[in-house]
Amino acid sequence: EADIYQTPRYLVIGTGKKITLECSQTMGHDKMYWYQQDPGMELHLIHYSYGVNSTEKGDLSSESTVSRIRTEHFPLTLESARPSHTSQYLCASSRDRGSYNEQFFGPGTRLTVL
Amino acid sequence: AQSVTQPDIHITVSEGASLELRCNYSYGATPYLFWYVQSPGQGLQLLLKYFSGDTLVQGIKGFEAEFKRSQSSFNLRKPSVHWSDAAEYFCAVGTGFLKLVFGTGTRLLVSP
Repeated sequence: EADIYQTPRYLVIGTGKKITLECSQTMGHDKMYWYQQDPGMELHLIHYSYGVNSTEKGDLSSESTVSRIRTEHFPLTLESARPSHTSQYLCASSRDRGSYNEQFFGPGTRLTVL
Repeated sequence: AQSVTQPDIHITVSEGASLELRCNYSYGATPYLFWYVQSPGQGLQLLLKYFSGDTLVQGIKGFEAEFKRSQSSFNLRKPSVHWSDAAEYFCAVGTGFLKLVFGTGTRLLVSP
């Protein structure tokens, strides 16, 4: 059973606020990912990490930033939220070897910026 | 570039009827293929995966998928659909070491 958690599940905030979306996994996975998903659309990779102190930008440009100070924790931060950031954000993780990219997903955070 | 096509945006199936969701991929090497399911307001749950070997793979909840290299397809099937199967289904291809490329998804509606 995969154990990956995201908080908050839902967030409604005003424009200009700084927010941090939390993601934690208890599986000891090295690789972690953030995806952005709009309704009826595919998932777009916005950030990923190979391990501690490793962060990379994904295929979709994003104004968010991430950090990876601990293996289990991969938070995403928006310094100044805008309505265009309204979306669902999904966190995922996978093992370092032999996983063939099999990723385990958290429940997601649905963000609404007014 | 790698890509995944799910040609059906919506599919409606009667409860108890069979189901087939289509997935076509574009990838130059041997693909790693996945089907995920997403219930409303939830994350993605892995249904099944193909890495190598037998081209017919079994997954959870009674789903299966068949890899056909000649057609670049990985269609998902279930012989008898239950109302609880109503959800969004995503096909994905693993590209090398790290990334997954997802299709746009197919929304399954189950009618009584």
